[in-house]
Amino acid sequence: NFMLTQPHSVSESPGKTVTISCTRSSGSIASNYVQWYQQRPGSSPTTVIYEDNQRPSGVPDRFSGSIDSSSNSASLTISGLKTEDEADYYCQSYDSSIRGVFGGGTKLTVL
Amino acid sequence: QVQLVQSGAEVKKPGASVKVSCKASGYTFTSYGISWVRQAPGQGLEWMGWISAYNGNTNYAQKLQGRVTMTTDTSTSTAYMELRSLRSDDTAVYYCAREGSSSWYENWGQGTLVTVSS
Repeated sequence: NFMLTQPHSVSESPGKTVTISCTRSSGSIASNYVQWYQQRPGSSPTTVIYEDNQRPSGVPDRFSGSIDSSSNSASLTISGLKTEDEADYYCQSYDSSIRGVFGGGTKLTVL
Repeated sequence: QVQLVQSGAEVKKPGASVKVSCKASGYTFTSYGISWVRQAPGQGLEWMGWISAYNGNTNYAQKLQGRVTMTTDTSTSTAYMELRSLRSDDTAVYYCAREGSSSWYENWGQGTLVTVSS
């Protein structure tokens, strides 16, 4: 099985842009879609990006996703940061033998 | 709209079993799978397993093999997750999630807190 590694925390100021990485330990990041979930304290996770770079309806276009085969990683970029974006963010993927693998989560602080 | 409504909080003693339910509405239940994800206090998300609501096929996380069973009742559009031989480190919020294509968890339940304590 593979692992997904995220930075434990990131911080940035309102209005700025932040990028959160998610590195796959084995197997190609491009082989299986990557999803990103936002979780605020006390709430269930919600999707901000699915299938590498797709936004569900209702998610602002300030959120974008990408993958980079050279670094075997996925990235979530949030531009025009707002205080409401402060949350934990998790990447998630899968492979043929295991349908769910989560990254450890990244705490985003907007200060 | 799609809703997943889970059963209420549980307190169990070590060694006991717990069964959490997840009642789905707003979509054709048998057209999607249900995954179960748990989150220990202050920790990240941990995938537990998946069940096809169409044919009952399952895929469990290796570390839970032998202790977890996932089932569905298509007559009531409800999914169940049973965890046996509970330990203190099973204390967590347990979520069900509707799994669409690409293993995308499109919708989540509200979570069920399971506390394991003597």
